[in-house]
Amino acid sequence: QVQLQESGPGLVKPSETLSLTCTVSGDSISGYFWTWIRQPPGKGLEWIGDIYYTGNTNYSPPLKGRVTISVDTSKNQFSLKLSSVTAADTAVYFCARENREGGLDYWGQGILVTASS
Amino acid sequence: QSALTQPASVSGSPGQSITISCIGTRSDVGGHRYVSWYQQHPGKAPKLLIYDGTNRPSGVSDRFSGSTSGNTASLTISGLQAEDEADYYCRSYTSSTFHVTFGGGTKLTVL
Repeated sequence: QVQLQESGPGLVKPSETLSLTCTVSGDSISGYFWTWIRQPPGKGLEWIGDIYYTGNTNYSPPLKGRVTISVDTSKNQFSLKLSSVTAADTAVYFCARENREGGLDYWGQGILVTASS
Repeated sequence: QSALTQPASVSGSPGQSITISCIGTRSDVGGHRYVSWYQQHPGKAPKLLIYDGTNRPSGVSDRFSGSTSGNTASLTISGLQAEDEADYYCRSYTSSTFHVTFGGGTKLTVL
């Protein structure tokens, strides 16, 4: 059974960088796209960006410039960095796997990150 | 503002059928088959219900079905059950840029 687990600080100060890692277990990270999605409290899902296991990335235009997604195949992990955070970046952050038919078939449980001083 | 338009809410009684629409453009929903649908219960991660517009992953009830016509994708839930009360999201991407968008979400209330 494939499992994804987000980890990282739950509190980030404004203007600092949010850093999260998604650890994949039960299958290799190779061969798939991996994605980060966030959900502000009480709001809908927002795509942040995704990465192929080879390292090719694609970012949401509103966040491009602040977002970096990377992959470490040796650790079966991929990571998110979001710089210059503001209160508007407060959200539950999810990592997910995109299957070969374009569906997000496995998700992490989500991690709440609050941007506050 | 979401690039994919969903109704904010729908409702139905147990046993009835409901349909949730997801309106895009020919650059996304109308341009390829890669539309997927997700169910999210409060405090939980979303769950994949439909991929490729019409296909169900194994383990998903056949009460859930997807369809596409032109620039509109639809999710139909038949035989409504209390457990179907949740938020539902569609997802697609723009053919030229592969930028992903989600619909704004639809809250389903089972009366």
